[in-house]
Amino acid sequence: DVQLVQSGGGLARPGGSLRLSCAASGFMFRNNWMFWVRQAPGKGLEWVATIGPHGTFTNHGDSVRGRFTVSRDNAKNTLYLQMNSLRVEDTAVYYCGKDLSHFAMDFWGQGSPVTVSS
Amino acid sequence: QFVLTQPPSVSAAPGQKVTISCSGGSSNIEENYVSWYQQLPGTAPKLLIYDNDKRPSGIPDRFSASKSATSATLGIAGLQTGDDADYFCATWFDGLGIGVFGGGTKLTVL
Repeated sequence: DVQLVQSGGGLARPGGSLRLSCAASGFMFRNNWMFWVRQAPGKGLEWVATIGPHGTFTNHGDSVRGRFTVSRDNAKNTLYLQMNSLRVEDTAVYYCGKDLSHFAMDFWGQGSPVTVSS
Repeated sequence: QFVLTQPPSVSAAPGQKVTISCSGGSSNIEENYVSWYQQLPGTAPKLLIYDNDKRPSGIPDRFSASKSATSATLGIAGLQTGDDADYFCATWFDGLGIGVFGGGTKLTVL
């Protein structure tokens, strides 16, 4: 069975850092595009970052570009999101997602709550 | 800049059919593929439709979708109380490498 198991969320101070992990199993991780998506409390979904199968292509949303970095370790079947210079407005549940086709994510992690507060 | 617009809410009675629109507005989505998600409270989104009109395995044919040059539409037939949820459209702008979600539509099954 396909599984995406997330870890690494929690509380951070403004200006602080957190790293999220997403451990994949049950599919050929190294062949898949992967995404990070977030959802602020009571709000909709927001695309955060994308990484290609080999990690050579990455892109980040405007609101996190220059502060967040998506990466992957195909040997460990793990996706990462390094979040630096955190802001209060980064408070959200962060989800990793496996691409099926053209930004359609057929499997999602359980979500990692991130709270940025002083 | 790149926006997908959905109605904030729709409602219908059990057994009826409802449609949810997703408009690209000034964002040309003619060449884009659109996907649709259902999100129940406190859970991760669930993929309902991909590549404009395809259903993943396990999604009943009560869920259907279509797309034109400027908008996409999700249809849900034979509404059930379990369909009461938030629905999001999404698309990927290939040339720019960015993803965009619609603002979401709250479906209430009365």
